[in-house]
Amino acid sequence: EPEVTQTPSHQVTQMGQEVILRCVPISNHLYFYWYRQILGQKVEFLVSFYNNEISEKSEIFDDQFSVERPDGSNFTLKIRSTKLEDSAMYFCASCRSYNEQFFGPGTRLTVL
Amino acid sequence: QKEVEQDPGPLSVPEGAIVSLNCTYSNSAFQYFMWYRQYSRKGPELLMYTYSSGNKEDGRFTAQVDKSSKYISLFIRDSQPSDSATYLCASLRGSQGNLIFGKGTKLSVKP
Repeated sequence: EPEVTQTPSHQVTQMGQEVILRCVPISNHLYFYWYRQILGQKVEFLVSFYNNEISEKSEIFDDQFSVERPDGSNFTLKIRSTKLEDSAMYFCASCRSYNEQFFGPGTRLTVL
Repeated sequence: QKEVEQDPGPLSVPEGAIVSLNCTYSNSAFQYFMWYRQYSRKGPELLMYTYSSGNKEDGRFTAQVDKSSKYISLFIRDSQPSDSATYLCASLRGSQGNLIFGKGTKLSVKP
C-alpha cells in the first residue's frame, strides 16, 4: 500500500541554522501539506501546495518558512533560521481529495 | 472560541467495551469531519470521514455528526488493546483542505 515517507526521522540543529525537511508524497496525489505538532499540543496546519504553488498558509508560516517541490516526487519544507519554538514534529500529508489526507510518519525537529 | 474542541482524557476501558469519543466544533460552515488515530510518535492515520450530518460505519467503528448541536462522535465496538492510541477529530476548513484538529483523546484498552 503506498504511503507518505519523510526524512530524516529526527533532526537536531542549533538555533539560527537552516533545516530542510523532506517528504515523498503518494505518487498520484495532487495536494500537499505540512502540519506541525508541538509536544502535547494540537496538530496545526502550516501550508498547502497545489499545482506548484502555495494555495494557503497559516499565520505560523512566516517568512522563515518556505516549501518547494523540486522534482516530480519530493516536497520539502525549509526553515531558514530556526528558533527554539520551532521544535516540534513536522508532518507531511498528501491527497487526491481534501477529505482523505494521508500523513507521513513525521520528522522530529529539535532546536538547541 | 476554539474551532474544534476535544476532551483529552485519558480514557481507560476494559477490552470488549464500547468506546465513545466526542468533539464539538464552533464553525457552522464546516461540512467534512474526520477521525484520525495516532500512535505515540507516529503520524495521524485516517480512520474515516463523514460529510454533513449522519452516521458512517466501518467495521467496529461508527462516526456520527450532529450539525444541529455541532457534535462529532466516534464509537468503537468490541474495543481491543490494539485500539489503544490517541484519537483526533478534525474538520476541513478553507478552499484548499486545511484540517483543523482537536487536541486528541488518549484511549487505553486494558486486556
